[in-house]
Amino acid sequence: EVQLVESGGGLVQPGRSLRLSCAASGFTFDDYAMHWVRQAPGKGLEWVSGITWNSGITGYADSVKGRFTISRDNAKNSLYLQMNSLRPEDTALYYCAKGGAGSGYYYGHFDFWGQGTLVTVSS
Amino acid sequence: QLVLTQSPSASASLGASVNLTCTLSSGHSSYAIAWHQQQPEKGPRFLMKVNTDGSHSKGDGIPDRFSGSSSGAERYLTISSLQSEDEADYYCQTWGTAINWVFGGGTKLTVL
Repeated sequence: EVQLVESGGGLVQPGRSLRLSCAASGFTFDDYAMHWVRQAPGKGLEWVSGITWNSGITGYADSVKGRFTISRDNAKNSLYLQMNSLRPEDTALYYCAKGGAGSGYYYGHFDFWGQGTLVTVSS
Repeated sequence: QLVLTQSPSASASLGASVNLTCTLSSGHSSYAIAWHQQQPEKGPRFLMKVNTDGSHSKGDGIPDRFSGSSSGAERYLTISSLQSEDEADYYCQTWGTAINWVFGGGTKLTVL
């Protein structure tokens, strides 16, 4: 059974940093692209960042480019999101999602999601 | 710029069928999409991928009551024999080298 468990969220002041983690299990982690998607309170889904199986390609939404960094540790079956210079508009539930396009692909749908970790940016 | 358009809300009676629509913006009718369901207070769940020819591939454990189809720039999710647990938000998603990943605004389905 595929499981994605996010952690690391919390309340943080504007301008500060936070690092999110996603622990993956139930599939061959280093075969698949992984992503972060966020959902502001009462709003829809927004793709934040993605990374290929071997970290060779990373991508970011314009809203976070230059402030957020995605990474992964295949030995630990873990995905990370380093978030710097946080803004109030970054307040959201952050989901980890597995790429569903098959081994080695970057672009494609997402076929499994975690339950999310809440990030609140406020003074 | 690719935009996915969904009606904000839909409703249907228990046991009935409902069609949800996701419309690709002009010039982007060749994109496949995926449908995701988000029940209240839960993370999203992948339902299926719908290709331009209307073929679809479902996620693990998705009941036969859920099906997908396609016509031109429109992609459909049909839910038959509606059950109370189908009350949820439904999002479509697409992707590509020029657009990264895009989600529609979501449709809130109410089961009456």
